[in-house]
This record gives sequence, structure tokens and C-alpha cells, in this order.
Amino acid sequence: AQSVTQLGSHVSVSEGALVLLRCNYSSSVPPYLFWYVQYPNQGLQLLLKYTSAATLVKGINGFEAEFKKSETSFHLTKPSAHMSDAAEYFCAATSNAGGTSYGKLTFGQGTILTVHP
Amino acid sequence: EPEVTQTPSHQVTQMGQEVILRCVPISNHLYFYWYRQILGQKVEFLVSFYNNEISEKSEIFDDQFSVERPDGSNFTLKIRSTKLEDSAMYFCASRVRDGNSPLHFGNGTRLTVT
Repeated sequence: AQSVTQLGSHVSVSEGALVLLRCNYSSSVPPYLFWYVQYPNQGLQLLLKYTSAATLVKGINGFEAEFKKSETSFHLTKPSAHMSDAAEYFCAATSNAGGTSYGKLTFGQGTILTVHP
Repeated sequence: EPEVTQTPSHQVTQMGQEVILRCVPISNHLYFYWYRQILGQKVEFLVSFYNNEISEKSEIFDDQFSVERPDGSNFTLKIRSTKLEDSAMYFCASRVRDGNSPLHFGNGTRLTVT
């Protein structure tokens, strides 16, 4: 069975500092990987997705993630944190291509990002 | 930008009561899903739905749960007899019929069972 692990339930950074949120997956086949963000009282918003076209994926709001098969990782980074980045971030995966199964995601436990002035 | 809409945002019910959580997926989407997140736990897949039938369901989705698309716009999750452990945030999601299209999530309904 597939699993997704996010290291660190809480990450705190200063405004302008590098953001690094860690995600590792466990899968028998290379999965499709996603990062979602949840702002308070809102739904899950897609930040970016990996679909095997390129290992470095750029998303919205200046975020990017790199797929490293050798490390089974898909860490999320942003060079310079902004106060508006404070939210909860979820890594998710599916091994299924197409159809309804592609939307059957396995989520990590989430990482709450706090940005200090 | 089109959104997935969920109502109500918060529902409180007594144990043993039936609840219906409502969702309006994005209009051109054909695949529909329900997920839930118990406080402090991971977001979990419940069920997927396509062409007016369940495509896949998790072990959580037992006989107490059902889904329906009663008309061309709504997608509902019914819990027949709620239990305390059903208290969670329930997310509806949808996507177009395209191999790599991502899920679009609603804002969720927080269900509290007392």
C-alpha cells in the first residue's frame, strides 16, 4: 500500500527565509505527486503536481518541488517566505493513471507553516 | 474561477441522526469524490463516483454511508445513523475527465456529532 510521510508537523521560518517542507513517499511504482495548500477556513488548493514530465516542478506563489526517485522524495521549497504563505501544506500521491482512480489520493499528515516577521 | 461549493460549512447533529452533506462540483467535471479529515489525522479518501455509480470506496465507507447525484448539479454524502467518530471535516472534490487533471476541492463541511 502506498504511504506519504511529511517530516515535521510544524515548520517556522522568518519572512524572507527559505521554506523547505519535506515529503517522502513509499510506493512500488513511481507515483503522481501533488502539493496542496489549505488556508484557514478554506479548501485544499493545488500548488503543483508531478506527472513525470520533468523532475523540477514549478507551482503557484513561487513554490517549486523536485522529484527525486533515488530518495523517494518530493520536497517543497520557496526561496523567500512571505507572511501570506502561512498555511497548512499537504503532500499527496496516487499511483493510478487516469479515470476515477487518479483522484484517489493518499495524503501526508500535513505541515503547518508559520512565518514570523 | 469555478469552485466546488459545499454546504453547510458546519453541521452539528446528535448521535444516531441522519445527515446529508451537499456539494456542487464544477459544472464540466465528471469525476466526484468525498474525503474526510478527522481532527489531527490525515485526509482520507472515502469514495469516488462516476456516471451515476460508485467507482471505488474505502474501508471507511461502510453501509452507513451513501452518495448520490440527485440532479445535474448536486453531489451528496449521506450518513444514515451518525456516530461520535464520524465527527470530521468532509471535503468534496471533482475533476474533469482527463488523464492528468487535478482534483479541485471544496472548502469542506465540519460535522460535529454530539
